[in-house]
Amino acid sequence: GAVVSQHPSRVICKSGTSVKIECRSLDFQATTMFWYRQFPKKSLMLMATSNEGSKATYEQGVEKDKFLINHASLTLSTLTVTSAHPEDSSFYICSGLAGGSSYEQYFGPGTRLTVT
Amino acid sequence: GNSVTQMEGPVTLSEEAFLTINCTYTATGYPSLFWYVQYPGEGLQLLLKATKADDKGSNKGFEATYRKETTSFHLEKGSVQVSDSAVYFCALSRNNFNKFYFGSGTKLNVKP
Repeated sequence: GAVVSQHPSRVICKSGTSVKIECRSLDFQATTMFWYRQFPKKSLMLMATSNEGSKATYEQGVEKDKFLINHASLTLSTLTVTSAHPEDSSFYICSGLAGGSSYEQYFGPGTRLTVT
Repeated sequence: GNSVTQMEGPVTLSEEAFLTINCTYTATGYPSLFWYVQYPGEGLQLLLKATKADDKGSNKGFEATYRKETTSFHLEKGSVQVSDSAVYFCALSRNNFNKFYFGSGTKLNVKP
């Protein structure tokens, strides 16, 4: 299957700072990418949907000014957590949607964010 | 609304045992149903899917049947292996697989 990478895999940052997470589709073009947040023993929660070249669509309850999403190319989307706080500590997962007939989402391995 | 409920884990089995992980869903209309697997340190991978009622998805010895009457999509495998140890997520999607709703995941531990 297609491969999606995320960088970094783990990041620790201080409260008040911003951190950027990259999501890349390595062998396919993803016109649509998704960002999820996964809490311990909880399901993946969709945060936003981003389409290349346009503004992201955020789910209800997700602060767009806090979680900035940029989808500048067909292979790269970034999530920036601005002014991070300890409650933002979580596992963030991205996925890319492959078009054609399969409409399958390919997931990245996730990024563990810890805010101290 | 749309939601997925799956059995809590962890589930611990001996090798060659029979596996069932229950999954039920709530959805408007006719969703597509999926099982994803997440191995340690890796991203979610599609295991199998079913797009309409009574369809059976199967892959790597795993099976799940889309049961509309019971709104269920239980995952089964006749004989598990140690290599099947992972977290399994049930999910549904509508609108051409664009938006997914995931269950909370069930961790499977298979002991030799």
